[in-house]
Amino acid sequence: KAGVTQTPRYLIKTRGQQVTLSCSPISGHRSVSWYQQTPGQGLQFLFEYFSETQRNKGNFPGRFSGRQFSNSRSEMNVSTLELGDSALYLCASSLAFRAEETQYFGPGTRLLVL
Amino acid sequence: DQQVKQNSPSLSVQEGRISILNCDYTNSMFDYFLWYKKYPAEGPTFLISISSIKDKNEDGRFTVFLNKSAKHLSLHIVPSQPGDSAVYFCAASDSSYKLIFGSGTRLLVRP
Repeated sequence: KAGVTQTPRYLIKTRGQQVTLSCSPISGHRSVSWYQQTPGQGLQFLFEYFSETQRNKGNFPGRFSGRQFSNSRSEMNVSTLELGDSALYLCASSLAFRAEETQYFGPGTRLLVL
Repeated sequence: DQQVKQNSPSLSVQEGRISILNCDYTNSMFDYFLWYKKYPAEGPTFLISISSIKDKNEDGRFTVFLNKSAKHLSLHIVPSQPGDSAVYFCAASDSSYKLIFGSGTRLLVRP
C-alpha cells in the first residue's frame, strides 16, 4: 500500500505570496490532518478534515486554510506569506477521526519564505 | 502555552543500555498519549500509545509509562540500538481527538 504523499517536497516563496500544498492520504483513509513543524516548537496542529469537512482547527491565523476533496486528497493554502511561515508542513492520514486511529505521516513539504 | 513539554532536547545513551525519554503535560483532560519517532527527511512514525485508563503499555523493546497524578509519561527503550537514534515526540489528545505534540527529544545511541 502506498504511503502518504506530499507535493511539492520543497518550495521557495517570497513574502506576500501565497502557496498551496497537496497531500494524498493512504488509500481508504478518510481523515487528513495538517501540522507545522518549526525548530524548537515541535509539531503544531493546523487542522483536520474528515469526509470533506473540517472537524478540528488549531490556533493559526485565517491566512492558513485547507480543504478536502471527495477522494480524501487534501490541500493546504497559506496566503500573504510571512517569514515566520518558513517551516516543514506535514500531513497525516488515518482511517477515521479518532485518537486511537494511528496517524500516518507523509515526508512533509519544506517551505522557505524569503 | 505548551500543554505538552519535553524538557530534554537531547539524550545520549550507550548501545545496549536503557533510554528513558520523558514528557510532561498540563491538561488534565488528555486521555490518550502517543510516542512518535522521526528520522531526518521523513515524517514521524507511530511508535506506541497508552490510554489514560492504563499506567503501562509494552511493545517489544518499547514501554510507555503513564503517571496521571504527576501528569507525566515516559518512554523506555531496552536495549537501545544505534538504529533507535532519532527525534522522539510525545503527543496527547482529549475528546477533540486533536493531537498536541511536544517539542521533541533527540536520542543518540552510541555504538
